[in-house]
Amino acid sequence: GQQVMQIPQYQHVQEGEDFTTYCNSSTTLSNIQWYKQRPGGHPVFLIQLVKSGEVKKQKRLTFQFGEAKKNSSLHITATQTTDVGTYFCAGFTSYGKLTFGQGTILTVHP
Amino acid sequence: NAGVTQTPKFRILKIGQSMTLQCTQDMNHNYMYWYRQDPGMGLKLIYYSVGAGITDKGEVPNGYNVSRSTTEDFPLRLELAAPSQTSVYFCASSLPNEQFFGPGTRLTVL
Repeated sequence: GQQVMQIPQYQHVQEGEDFTTYCNSSTTLSNIQWYKQRPGGHPVFLIQLVKSGEVKKQKRLTFQFGEAKKNSSLHITATQTTDVGTYFCAGFTSYGKLTFGQGTILTVHP
Repeated sequence: NAGVTQTPKFRILKIGQSMTLQCTQDMNHNYMYWYRQDPGMGLKLIYYSVGAGITDKGEVPNGYNVSRSTTEDFPLRLELAAPSQTSVYFCASSLPNEQFFGPGTRLTVL
């Protein structure tokens, strides 16, 4: 079955440093989504990427979708303590069904 | 709109007991999902539904059952609870695309 791998599993940064998490799929994806889960909370949708090579920005967050539509990345510039949480990528293959990566747990030290 | 609501928030079960986790959404979404999240792990799809009367298995369906008699409700049934079912359970709904998650049910089986 389809697998979505995400690295790193953990990332500890000092406030102000940059952060990147990478997502790789074993199969070509129709689109990819990113979610953020705060500690003790539920996943919240951040963005969806659909086109090959697509790049989208949300303030300090930059999302990329690979040319082959099998990988993606999320980059946060100048992290803040409010960025703490787990970031998940999720790949869309079968219509309506997502496969989630294991997530990257981000800790930001003030 | 309340979005996606789940009850109960917490539950402790003894081995062999059964229970139903309730999920309701008021966004008129056709797609609904049940995930489980083990500590420090990603989300595993248990069952999903693309509309009332239609359900299908996800990655980890064993030990669970679902039904979808209405658009709004998607209950998850645990029969003969086992310690391996200790987890946080999230219900989600979508159009599809962006998934909206409920607050989760934290289940412990002792």
